[in-house]
Amino acid sequence: GAVVSQHPSRVICKSGTSVKIECRSLDFQATTMFWYRQFPKQSLMLMATSNEGSKATYEQGVEKDKFLINHASLTLSTLTVTSAHPEDSSFYICSARKPGQNYGYTFGSGTRLTVV
Amino acid sequence: QKEVEQDPGPLSVPEGAIVSLNCTYSNSAFQYFMWYRQYSRKGPELLMYTYSSGNKEDGRFTAQVDKSSKYISLFIRDSQPSDSATYLCAMSSNSGYSTLTFGKGTMLLVSP
Repeated sequence: GAVVSQHPSRVICKSGTSVKIECRSLDFQATTMFWYRQFPKQSLMLMATSNEGSKATYEQGVEKDKFLINHASLTLSTLTVTSAHPEDSSFYICSARKPGQNYGYTFGSGTRLTVV
Repeated sequence: QKEVEQDPGPLSVPEGAIVSLNCTYSNSAFQYFMWYRQYSRKGPELLMYTYSSGNKEDGRFTAQVDKSSKYISLFIRDSQPSDSATYLCAMSSNSGYSTLTFGKGTMLLVSP
């Protein structure tokens, strides 16, 4: 199967600090990964598409300088929330698709970010 | 009108009941339809995938797509307490690296 690991699962940080979230594809190489944000009782909202070796593509309304994405290898993408504020508190989830799997995407287990 | 509409619930049923979950959509370009199950504080896991119209069955789960009505359904037979989760529908216009559009999710509670 396709396994996507996300770390950390939960993080609490102080307002103004930065937090890095890692997303790894464990048993396949992913040239593209996706980062989502989910508020309580809301749907998954796509934030950006992470492309290995090139710049990420951000969705409208997502600040690229605040949510830094790096996809330095075929198995790792990172999302850094810079100068975090309480309104950034949310559930962040990454996903990737295993090559040859023509449907669906495998999601990580998510990261619960709380900014205090 | 949102692209994908899904009743957030919660939907409460007794164990053994047949559950029907539904989504409607407005974009006629959608051709690939998925159902994900999400447990609390976890990432979504793919349950069912269908292409275009028709039915697909997998164990206790049946997915239906009616493109003429822009309506998709997920049926769960003999529901179990372990089925209690949020069910998200998702769809895309092609099978390549296109983005998925999700519904809000329906919370299902199956009581013993």
